[in-house]
Amino acid sequence: KAGVTQTPRYLIKTRGQQVTLSCSPISGHRSVSWYQQTPGQGLQFLFEYFSETQRNKGNFPGRFSGRQFSNSRSEMNVSTLELGDSALYLCASSLGTTVQETQYFGPGTRLLVL
Amino acid sequence: GEDVEQSLFLSVREGDSSVINCTYTDSSSTYLYWYKQEPGAGLQLLTYIFSNMDMKQDQRLTVLLNKKDKHLSLRIADTQTGDSAIYFCADPNGGSQGNLIFGKGTKLSVKP
Repeated sequence: KAGVTQTPRYLIKTRGQQVTLSCSPISGHRSVSWYQQTPGQGLQFLFEYFSETQRNKGNFPGRFSGRQFSNSRSEMNVSTLELGDSALYLCASSLGTTVQETQYFGPGTRLLVL
Repeated sequence: GEDVEQSLFLSVREGDSSVINCTYTDSSSTYLYWYKQEPGAGLQLLTYIFSNMDMKQDQRLTVLLNKKDKHLSLRIADTQTGDSAIYFCADPNGGSQGNLIFGKGTKLSVKP
């Protein structure tokens, strides 16, 4: 089975721009979670989607949004980029049918905001 | 809120055992996880332990869980240079769907 894939792997943007990141889960997985990883804050949960609905959300501003499509692929969008948004963005997939299922991570998208 | 704590660095010699420790606050988690992150890569699921177990062994990896003290440890036997990475302890945050709480990660350096 193919693992979780994320595109693009690297992005460079400037302040004020917006960006869209994509995540394709493992086949059969219906839950996709997104995390931000920075040296200062570590790994922080952004949100989780299941069956095209956001089920859970972390403590991030409204500039961070996401969606999920009927094939379980997910995108996250960050609008009005700030320097502090520079991070590794990781997505993870799981079956999504029960709470506390094992999550499998993709390689991440490294975003640099200049 | 829930919290997970880990020491930040560990240095060992090749062939020695490594022990990475973690403490957590949420007592309702069904599983606890260990992930590994190599430079420039995502997180690789290393192993996990069910909350009603005290120990789990998987080849060179041994996970110990002390629920009373909320302490989790990962032991890597015969540590190799390829084990050099950052190791994260993760707690599924009770009933919060899809939300893992991670420690800051322990950077393991293996010297030849």
